[in-house]
Amino acid sequence: DAKTTQPPSMDCAEGRAANLPCNHSTISGNEYVYWYRQIHSQGPQYIIHGLKNNETNEMASLIITEDRKSSTLILPHATLRDTAVYYCIVRVLGGQNFVFGPGTRLSVLP
Amino acid sequence: DSGVTQTPKHLITATGQRVTLRCSPRSGDLSVYWYQQSLDQGLQFLIQYYNGEERAKGNILERFSAQQFPDLHSELNLSSLELGDSALYFCASSAATNEKLFFGSGTQLSVL
Repeated sequence: DAKTTQPPSMDCAEGRAANLPCNHSTISGNEYVYWYRQIHSQGPQYIIHGLKNNETNEMASLIITEDRKSSTLILPHATLRDTAVYYCIVRVLGGQNFVFGPGTRLSVLP
Repeated sequence: DSGVTQTPKHLITATGQRVTLRCSPRSGDLSVYWYQQSLDQGLQFLIQYYNGEERAKGNILERFSAQQFPDLHSELNLSSLELGDSALYFCASSAATNEKLFFGSGTQLSVL
């Protein structure tokens, strides 16, 4: 599975959009981009995933560049409860496991 | 609530002992994954089972073993415990065709 690079930390003002970047320059054609988050010491929570088209659900939007070498997770109106570590993972559909890197620690500030 | 149940929530034991962590996956999920999270290592994949069969193995020590039973619940056995085994152990499950992982709330293991 391709490796990802994320900034170690980011701040965002409450109510503003949080844009979390992820680089995956070695991604292959059949690898999906997944995002999970972990709030404090809770179990990680699935957010969204996509292959090449932009995706949106009730939690977030995922924007994948045309060359698929990077993506951005967007939380449109961040709240204090969105403070968490966000993990970007690339993985083949049906791949054997999810490899979690260090992620980005997002702090939403009042 | 993810639907994945892990017991116990907390476990305190001594070095050299053996413990068993239990995981009940979401109803209908055939795959179970075990992860270890310590402060300095992040989330480390240990092992995956699919419908009772071992599917993938990660950085799991020989002192650790796991199995998935016919009712699909899974157990992670940790033996000859060392101080460094202190960590949060997470179980996750996924359906056969759905690629989302659903994590339990974890078992906090403290080895004293």
